[in-house]
Amino acid sequence: LAKTTQPISMDSYEGQEVNITCSHNNIATNDYITWYQQFPSQGPRFIIQGYKTKVTNEVASLFIPADRKSSTLSLPRVSLSDTAVYYCLENTGGFKTIFGAGTRLFVKA
Amino acid sequence: DVKVTQSSRYLVKRTGEKVFLECVQDMDHENMFWYRQDPGLGLRLIYFSYDVKMKEKGDIPEGYSVSREKKERFSLILESASTNQTSMYLCASSFATGFNEKLFFGSGTQLSVL
Repeated sequence: LAKTTQPISMDSYEGQEVNITCSHNNIATNDYITWYQQFPSQGPRFIIQGYKTKVTNEVASLFIPADRKSSTLSLPRVSLSDTAVYYCLENTGGFKTIFGAGTRLFVKA
Repeated sequence: DVKVTQSSRYLVKRTGEKVFLECVQDMDHENMFWYRQDPGLGLRLIYFSYDVKMKEKGDIPEGYSVSREKKERFSLILESASTNQTSMYLCASSFATGFNEKLFFGSGTQLSVL
């Protein structure tokens, strides 16, 4: 069973900022939070990872509050090509990393 | 960039055939994984390997075996393919098992067993 909870799907329009929130109420002290993106007929791709506070890279920002029981992936100004499934994971090590169903983001023109 | 290459994009096999899925990574990663992905079930771990000739069962190893004779190559074997093994198979690799580990995936092999 996935240890994280995230919305099943979200819709957005091009140019909007999209925030996907993930709940991980029982996250372990050492676990990182990692987000992956998956396009149809491709393998998941690493987007961003963090432990606490805020992390930003060229693709997204990740906000993790002090209690670490949730995290928010922020995609600035989405385009049609950002339509994908986004997975939030607690990183307990590769063979223990569990992928849930993810959030299906659909970006409309 | 890390590259994880799966030998086939699409495969069609018959029930009872022995099937080999090959995966090669070019970044000297210790860990390699095989997942299957089915609609509504997400990614499920079949087997993983943390070193040459080492293997560990994942969540759904029944009907599968693996081989890792060289560090860069991890093979998934379906001893006698069945229709319920029709799925997307994803190979992944990572540098080391740790709390900040990142998985690198191949493009997947869509296997159909008829």
